[in-house]
Amino acid sequence: DQQVKQNSPSLSVQEGRISILNCDYTNSMFDYFLWYKKYPAEGPTFLISISSIKDKNEDGRFTVFLNKSAKHLSLHIVPSQPGDSAVYFCAATPLRGNTPLVFGKGTRLSVIA
Amino acid sequence: DTGVSQDPRHKITKRGQNVTFRCDPISEHNRLYWYRQTLGQGPEFLTYFQNEAQLEKSRLLSDRFSAERPKGSFSTLEIQRTEQGDSAMYLCASSPRAWGSKNIQYFGAGTRLSVL
Repeated sequence: DQQVKQNSPSLSVQEGRISILNCDYTNSMFDYFLWYKKYPAEGPTFLISISSIKDKNEDGRFTVFLNKSAKHLSLHIVPSQPGDSAVYFCAATPLRGNTPLVFGKGTRLSVIA
Repeated sequence: DTGVSQDPRHKITKRGQNVTFRCDPISEHNRLYWYRQTLGQGPEFLTYFQNEAQLEKSRLLSDRFSAERPKGSFSTLEIQRTEQGDSAMYLCASSPRAWGSKNIQYFGAGTRLSVL
């Protein structure tokens, strides 16, 4: 029973264009969502997060959108750069209590120069 | 500020042997988490500590697995009588005090275990 789903295993985007990575969740208790980026042979690196009281959070080229009614979030990267090529994981948790994260399976993003 | 440190980075062992991994969290982070990641999957929660207290263990953590954080600083994860199915990347993460903080967990580079 996968509570966090990333249905696209891979995504290929041209440099300079927008990358959109999607994530769906099923657990209504989740109210805090995070995106991590992972390069080979490294641990996941925190990218951006959003609380359920917001529907958008922006940090430089990265924006996360949250649609609570649809239990869906997306990460937008604009403009995409070759260095963004990595595996992106969506994670969720109930904010209160600082509990363990539940991760999706990840989406491999390839940005082509 | 050093990040989360894990040792060793790679471990190759024969089936049936015991292995132990170490994690040094970011200083002053009172929460420490262990996750396991296999090929094509996201990290899966194993167990976590608040200071020296082990608060939760996943059903993934069989009796052959044990974790400690004796002084509330570094942590060890031991796997006894390893099996080939234990081959995975073992990730450690830490996060700051729960109250008033966002739950951002910072990960180490992981220990890759190969059981032959």
